[in-house]
Amino acid sequence: SAVISQKPSRDICQRGTSLTIQCQVDSQVTMMFWYRQQPGQSLTLIATANQGSEATYESGFVIDKFPISRPNLTFSTLTVSNMSPEDSSIYLCSVVPLTGYGYTFGSGTRLTVV
Amino acid sequence: AQSVAQPEDQVNVAEGNPLTVKCTYSVSGNPYLFWYVQYPNRGLQFLLKYITGDNLVKGSYGFEAEFNKSQTSFHLKKPSALVSDSALYFCAVRPLSNDYKLSFGAGTTVTVRA
Repeated sequence: SAVISQKPSRDICQRGTSLTIQCQVDSQVTMMFWYRQQPGQSLTLIATANQGSEATYESGFVIDKFPISRPNLTFSTLTVSNMSPEDSSIYLCSVVPLTGYGYTFGSGTRLTVV
Repeated sequence: AQSVAQPEDQVNVAEGNPLTVKCTYSVSGNPYLFWYVQYPNRGLQFLLKYITGDNLVKGSYGFEAEFNKSQTSFHLKKPSALVSDSALYFCAVRPLSNDYKLSFGAGTTVTVRA
């Protein structure tokens, strides 16, 4: 299965600033997704990262707040912009390989906004 | 629309006893079903999946799950639980279509006491 390197693993940020999270995969994948896991909650899909085009956002998430890039088949970034304490969550990258049905998740980025 | 329900927030069992974590789903058509486990401060780890075929699916760490179409359930089971199985468990579903989006249940916290 694909191996994901997600960075940073954790960060503490000041409100009003932005943080960019990176997701690097060791093999080409078809789909890349970004999820948010708020404290004590389940995973919520933020968006699908599309190679070379704008990401597809789920209801309640907008590009201005969560800009996403995916320049190639193995790399994507998620930026959390103009952060507030409500953005404190774990953010996870997930991928679907070119073959198979499995979904692999990164180890997550634990973000605390103060 | 697809959805997943995990009716129990917490499951507590003694080590050596059988462990069951319940999951029911709602999806149009036939589903892909998944179980993931999340240990503290870690990402999601894949346990098993049902795509098609045998209703009893065997996965990692001695876990298995049974797909029951009539009851729309996909309960996770382990014959003899270990203390190390204590973690947060998520059931997830996606429809048998080109839509790769996973929907997650709320999660069940499993505590196995020695």
